[in-house]
Amino acid sequence: AQSVTQPDIHITVSEGASLELRCNYSYGATPYLFWYVQSPGQGLQLLLKYFSGDTLVQGIKGFEAEFKRSQSSFNLRKPSVHWSDAAEYFCAVGAVDSNYQLIWGAGTKLIIKP
Amino acid sequence: NAGVTQTPKFRVLKTGQSMTLLCAQDMNHEYMYWYRQDPGMGLRLIHYSVGEGTTAKGEVPDGYNVSRLKKQNFLLGLESAAPSQTSVYFCASTQLHPNSYEQYFGPGTRLTVT
Repeated sequence: AQSVTQPDIHITVSEGASLELRCNYSYGATPYLFWYVQSPGQGLQLLLKYFSGDTLVQGIKGFEAEFKRSQSSFNLRKPSVHWSDAAEYFCAVGAVDSNYQLIWGAGTKLIIKP
Repeated sequence: NAGVTQTPKFRVLKTGQSMTLLCAQDMNHEYMYWYRQDPGMGLRLIHYSVGEGTTAKGEVPDGYNVSRLKKQNFLLGLESAAPSQTSVYFCASTQLHPNSYEQYFGPGTRLTVT
């Protein structure tokens, strides 16, 4: 069965420090991979996506993610976080043969220490 | 371009009452989705539509009905609300381009059933 795991429910990082949010997936076909961000009380906004090609993808707000097929992972990184990055982050996986549905991780809440 | 809009933003229902949530998109997207978001559970797909006049069940369809009479609108109905349906509801849409089917989200509807 398809699944997405975000192992960390909460992560606390000091402002200016680097960040890595983990995402592991289980999917038989070639996956399409997404990271979304949700600020408090808001909808979800796409940060970045991977479909094919270069396994290191750049997104908005200085985020990047690396697709590692051998590890079934798509971890999100940022070299230096800002207080405005405090939000909840969701990883999602989809494929054409899933009727374009996305399978979502449970989310990781990012807390920024001043 | 308003993107994806949802009405209402907040609603409180008593058990057994009915209501309809409206989702509208102005991007001419074919696919539309209704999700519910509960703490620690990510997004769960309720129903989706692959085009005007078509709907299909998602992961958690029980207690909900949907209709897609016009391409731009996707309605979610609760015929007899239950406290278990207290949640935040998100609508999303996507257009299928090669290498691009990210979902665009509305701001959400917070529903409380007492």
